[in-house]
Amino acid sequence: EVQLVESGGRLVQPGGSLRLSCAASGFTVSSNYMSWVRQAPGKGLEWVSVVYSGGSTYYADSVKGRFTISRDNSKNTLYLQMNSLRGEDTAMYYCARDLYGSSWFAYWGQGTLVTVSS
Amino acid sequence: SYELTQPLSVSVALGQTATITCGGNNIGYKSVHWYQQKPGQAPVLVIYRDSNRPSGIPERFSGSNSGNTATLTISRAQAGDEADYYCQVWDSSTSYVFGTGTQVTVL
Repeated sequence: EVQLVESGGRLVQPGGSLRLSCAASGFTVSSNYMSWVRQAPGKGLEWVSVVYSGGSTYYADSVKGRFTISRDNSKNTLYLQMNSLRGEDTAMYYCARDLYGSSWFAYWGQGTLVTVSS
Repeated sequence: SYELTQPLSVSVALGQTATITCGGNNIGYKSVHWYQQKPGQAPVLVIYRDSNRPSGIPERFSGSNSGNTATLTISRAQAGDEADYYCQVWDSSTSYVFGTGTQVTVL
C-alpha cells in the first residue's frame, strides 16, 4: 500500500528555517516525480517544488532561492528545506507523487502545518 | 505563466447534475486533471487525462476538455460530493498549475 507521511511542520518566526520530511512506503521515491504542494488557510492549492526521478529540481517563483527540495534514497524520504520564511509561507504542506511523470498527482500525504509568525 | 480559472462556487440539487468549469488558454491541447478536497482532508484525484477515472471513483464523475474550457460533471449529486474541486494541468513554463478552486454545495 502506498503511503506518504509528512512531518516537521511547526510554528516558526519570520526569517527562520524549517525542514519538512515526507516518508514514503509502498513505492520508491527515487523512481518517481515527487512534489510539495501547499495550501494557505482558506485558500487554494499551490504547487511549490518537484524533484524528478533523474534528480532535476524545479520551484515556484514564490519560493525560488529560499526553498530546496531533496530526497534520501536510503530512507525513501523526500525533504523540503525552507529558509528565510515569511508570513505568506504559512500553509499546510503536502507531499504528492506524480507516477513516473504522468503529470497528475495520484497520491497525497495528509499534510504538515507550517505557521510563520512572531 | 499559465493560469486556470474556476467559478468560486456551484450549487446543485440533490440527485441533479453539477457542472464545474476550468478555463485556460487553449486548455484543450493540455491534459486536465481534477481533484476533490473535503474539509480537513488531503486532495483526492477524481479525473485524470481529461476524462479518465481512477479506481474507486464512481462513474457519476466524468470530464471533458475542448477549446478554452475543461469541464467536470457530477451526475446524480449526493451529499457526500460536497467539497472543493480543483483542476490541474502541467505547463512547460510553470510546471504544475492548479485552478482557483470551486466549492460545490449540494442542496
